[in-house]
Amino acid sequence: EVHLVESGGDLVEPGGSLRLSCAASGFIFSDFSMNWVRQAPGKGLEWVSYISSSSSTIYFADSVKGRFTISRDNAKNSLYLQMNSLRDEDTAVYYCARTGTVTPLSVFWGQGTLVTVSS
Amino acid sequence: EIVLTQSPGTLSLSPGERATLSCRASQSVSSNYLAWFQQKPGQAPRLLIYGASGRAAGIPDRFSGSGSGTDFTLTISRLEPEDFAVYYCHQYGSSPWTFGQGTKVEVK
Repeated sequence: EVHLVESGGDLVEPGGSLRLSCAASGFIFSDFSMNWVRQAPGKGLEWVSYISSSSSTIYFADSVKGRFTISRDNAKNSLYLQMNSLRDEDTAVYYCARTGTVTPLSVFWGQGTLVTVSS
Repeated sequence: EIVLTQSPGTLSLSPGERATLSCRASQSVSSNYLAWFQQKPGQAPRLLIYGASGRAAGIPDRFSGSGSGTDFTLTISRLEPEDFAVYYCHQYGSSPWTFGQGTKVEVK
């Protein structure tokens, strides 16, 4: 069974940094691309970033480009999101999601970790 | 960026009724890579439909998707109590992948 567990969410001041982690199990992590998707309180879903299985292809939403970095450690079955220069509007639940075998569709999702940016 | 517009914003129906949700894209969705998700309060989204009309594993056949190009529809043939939730369409054919703003299906 696919299992994704996010961690690292916290309260941080504007301009601060935070690193989110996603621990994966139940599948061969190195075979699949991964996404980060976020959801601000009471709002809809927003795709944040994508990383291919070998880390050769990476994409970001314009809203986070230049501030966020995505990475993965296939030996540790882990996905990361380094978030710098955080803004109030980055406040959200951040989900990691595993794609399917061919497309970047987020098929399996973790339960999310809450990031709150506030002074 | 492909903008997805869902309608209606809220759908008020009774159990047993048919629900029809619409998703319109600002430009053609590549390879009809259009998905539908269901989300209940406090839970992660759950994949229902992929590729516009493919039903994800374990999804009941009362859920169906249709459409192509720029116009897509999610139909729930007979609403069960557990189907009252928020539904999002999502295109994953062109980066940046985008989501619609959601349709809430509520009990009338």
